[in-house]
Amino acid sequence: AQRVTQPEKLLSVFKGAPVELKCNYSYSGSPELFWYVQYSRQRLQLLLRHISRESIKGFTADLNKGETSFHLKKPFAQEEDSAMYYCALAGGTSYGKLTFGQGTILTVHP
Amino acid sequence: DAGVIQSPRHEVTEMGQEVTLRCKPISGHDYLFWYRQTMMRGLELLIYFNNNVPIDDSGMPEDRFSAKMPNASFSTLKIQPSEPRDSAVYFCASSLITGQKLFFGSGTQLSVL
Repeated sequence: AQRVTQPEKLLSVFKGAPVELKCNYSYSGSPELFWYVQYSRQRLQLLLRHISRESIKGFTADLNKGETSFHLKKPFAQEEDSAMYYCALAGGTSYGKLTFGQGTILTVHP
Repeated sequence: DAGVIQSPRHEVTEMGQEVTLRCKPISGHDYLFWYRQTMMRGLELLIYFNNNVPIDDSGMPEDRFSAKMPNASFSTLKIQPSEPRDSAVYFCASSLITGQKLFFGSGTQLSVL
């Protein structure tokens, strides 16, 4: 079975501070990991995926298979980063299936 | 393309009533997903289809929930009878056969009184 855990429901930081949203997963094979974001009054959308090894809006995420983690990081948070963030995992025979974590609400204060 | 289209945007109903949520995926996408979002449980996968065929419905809470995809451009999620604990935001999403990027609809906010 595949499972994604985001231990923090709420995370608050001040503008300019570093931010890290935690994500841990449980999966026996080689997973594909994603971060999705939902800004206020907008649709849920893909932020980044680990296979792309890209930085989007200053965010990066590294897959750590030893720790089974895929934490999302940004060195200097901005107010516009305030949103709901979901970590997601795809893998196994049902490769089309995407399992999401519980989500973390990030608030960046001015 | 207007993206994934869901209707209605909001639904308020009384306990025991039938509720039907509708979704039009992006043209050409072979996968369609129904998710439920609540504060307590986050985003839960209810069911997903591949080429109109249900692949995994293990997330459907109980027999009161059913989903259909009669053709490539339309899907419904039905709750009969509805209960207050079904109150949530229901999202539909679609994706290409080879990609994992999901495109979400705006969601349906369901309130069962």
